[in-house]
Amino acid sequence: QKEVEQNSGPLSVPEGAIASLNCTYSDRGSQSFFWYRQYSGKSPELIMSIYSNGDKEDGRFTAQLNKASQYVSLLIRDSQPSDSATYLCAVKASGGSYIPTFGRGTSLIVHP
Amino acid sequence: EAGVAQSPRYKIIEKRQSVAFWCNPISGHATLYWYQQILGQGPKLLIQFQNNGVVDDSQLPKDRFSAERLKGVDSTLKIQPAKLEDSAVYLCASSTSAGNSNYGYTFGSGTRLTVV
Repeated sequence: QKEVEQNSGPLSVPEGAIASLNCTYSDRGSQSFFWYRQYSGKSPELIMSIYSNGDKEDGRFTAQLNKASQYVSLLIRDSQPSDSATYLCAVKASGGSYIPTFGRGTSLIVHP
Repeated sequence: EAGVAQSPRYKIIEKRQSVAFWCNPISGHATLYWYQQILGQGPKLLIQFQNNGVVDDSQLPKDRFSAERLKGVDSTLKIQPAKLEDSAVYLCASSTSAGNSNYGYTFGSGTRLTVV
């Protein structure tokens, strides 16, 4: 059973701070990693993908991948109230199944 | 480009009744997925289609759930009979390719099902 673990939160940060969201996964052979943002009552939208160890930056978002430790994180710099949402980590495993497994998501609250 | 279209947006039914959801993927997207998202959980894949063929339906409760994509475009997901635990949001997603794709999905707006 491939598992993706996230702290459900909520994670509360003040406006302008850095929000750090973490995700661990069980399948060591996982190849692709995604972060989705889901506003309340809305469907998930893809915000970042990462495939190699290290950091990947896109605007205020940075995804970090450490395959040896089996974790992937998402940093949001200069957090805004509009970033308040649930952030879902999704991991695509290896071995013939290319269906990503989603974590339960971390609720982020950015307060003014 | 138009997004993934789903209908209805909301549905309330009594247990043991049947219900059907419809999805129209992004034009040209060969792969279509149906996910179930229970409140407070991440999406769980129910079934994946590549064109009009089923790629993965290992997590579809086949005694009550069925899905089809007859012409390789639109898809319907049916539940018959519904149970209380089927209350969830049913998300349809599409992507350009399956298999070794490293691309994320585009999700539709979902159908929120409440079984009472």
